[in-house]
Amino acid sequence: DVKVTQSSRYLVKRTGEKVFLECVQDMDHENMFWYRQDPGLGLRLIYFSYDVKMKEKGDIPEGYSVSREKKERFSLILESASTNQTSMYLCASSLLQGVYGYTFGSGTRLTVV
Amino acid sequence: AQSVTQLDSQVPVFEEAPVELRCNYSSSVSVYLFWYVQYPNQGLQLLLKYLSGSTLVKGINGFEAEFNKSQTSFHLRKPSVHISDTAEYFCAVRGGGSGGSNYKLTFGKGTLLTVNP
Repeated sequence: DVKVTQSSRYLVKRTGEKVFLECVQDMDHENMFWYRQDPGLGLRLIYFSYDVKMKEKGDIPEGYSVSREKKERFSLILESASTNQTSMYLCASSLLQGVYGYTFGSGTRLTVV
Repeated sequence: AQSVTQLDSQVPVFEEAPVELRCNYSSSVSVYLFWYVQYPNQGLQLLLKYLSGSTLVKGINGFEAEFNKSQTSFHLRKPSVHISDTAEYFCAVRGGGSGGSNYKLTFGKGTLLTVNP
């Protein structure tokens, strides 16, 4: 089975800090995604990447950036964390343009204080 | 662009009762459809998917879903639920084209299924 691993389950950061969320997948998937999940809002796409060094903005990219230097690793960066970025962050990967769906990591619950 | 509507945000049921979680989608092209389950403080796990062929799709944990093209629906059903089925369920759609935004799944806002003893 494909495994998608997010480096932290819980994270607490201070306002203004630069925050890195790491995601690694082990099955050579081309596509990787970052979502945030908030109660009542469902999953909202922040950024996705369909190849190494390639990225595209999702629906809510403001305040975030991403990095994909290697195929297996996709990092989400909060340049200057704010309290409204407190959320659950989910990483996912997919094969063949997502035809078979995504495989998700366990999520990182980020609290910005 | 596609969209997904999950008609119920919360569905409470008693153990061993049947349940149906409703999902409608809109898309101008052929679609691929998915149901995911999320247990508390975990990521999403694929329950089942419709790619083509038979409109009745069977998934894990005894769930099944029926694709209805004329009604643009993909409702999830289980004939008898257990306490352990308590979770949030998400319907998702991927457009049938290639490239660009078709890489992405569009998710509904989720339905919280609560199974009571």
